[in-house]
Amino acid sequence: SQKIEQNSEALNIQEGKTATLTCNYTNYSPAYLQWYRQDPGRGPVFLLLIRENEKEKRKERLKVTFDTTLKQSLFHITASQPADSATYLCALEEGGYNKLIFGAGTRLAVHP
Amino acid sequence: NAGVMQNPRHLVRRRGQEARLRCSPMKGHSHVYWYRQLPEEGLKFMVYLQKENIIDESGMPKERFSAEFPKEGPSILRIQQVVRGDSAAYFCATKTGAGVATNTGELFFGEGSRLTVL
Repeated sequence: SQKIEQNSEALNIQEGKTATLTCNYTNYSPAYLQWYRQDPGRGPVFLLLIRENEKEKRKERLKVTFDTTLKQSLFHITASQPADSATYLCALEEGGYNKLIFGAGTRLAVHP
Repeated sequence: NAGVMQNPRHLVRRRGQEARLRCSPMKGHSHVYWYRQLPEEGLKFMVYLQKENIIDESGMPKERFSAEFPKEGPSILRIQQVVRGDSAAYFCATKTGAGVATNTGELFFGEGSRLTVL
């Protein structure tokens, strides 16, 4: 079955810098890949989806890339702000009916 | 448009008791997923249901756990004879019909039900 690997160590960056988070998967390339944000004590919130035929997707300060050769997605937050501090989850479809499996997430801390 | 509603938000049970967690999907959503999240861990898929049908329960423990999504009313995740290891946050997520051409697969999550077993 598919395995998703996200950096378990927290990422600490300075406000205004670009944060880059990595998501690697081990088996087949999914039809699409999604990124979610989760704040402590809250449910995950959808951010972006990128399909296998798309190299890059942008939404405001967010950018996602998808490299099926490397089996990797990168998630970038430009001009980061303390309010961006959260855990970011990568999710892949498995099973052919939109069942999503999630990585463990990477915690981002943006310092003023 | 109300989001996904889960209740109770917090539930405390003693070992051996039963826990019932409820999930009311967003309006128009007919697909429900349940996930479990342990502290400092990711979301683990448990079960996927459509109205009156269990589509995939490959993530459900074989014993003590059951889920339903009746024609009327919320989806319910039921844990019988709870043990300390069941302590976790249980999230419900819903979406519109799978297989629709414009369906992105985006899931809408509730705020979770946090179960503590004493």
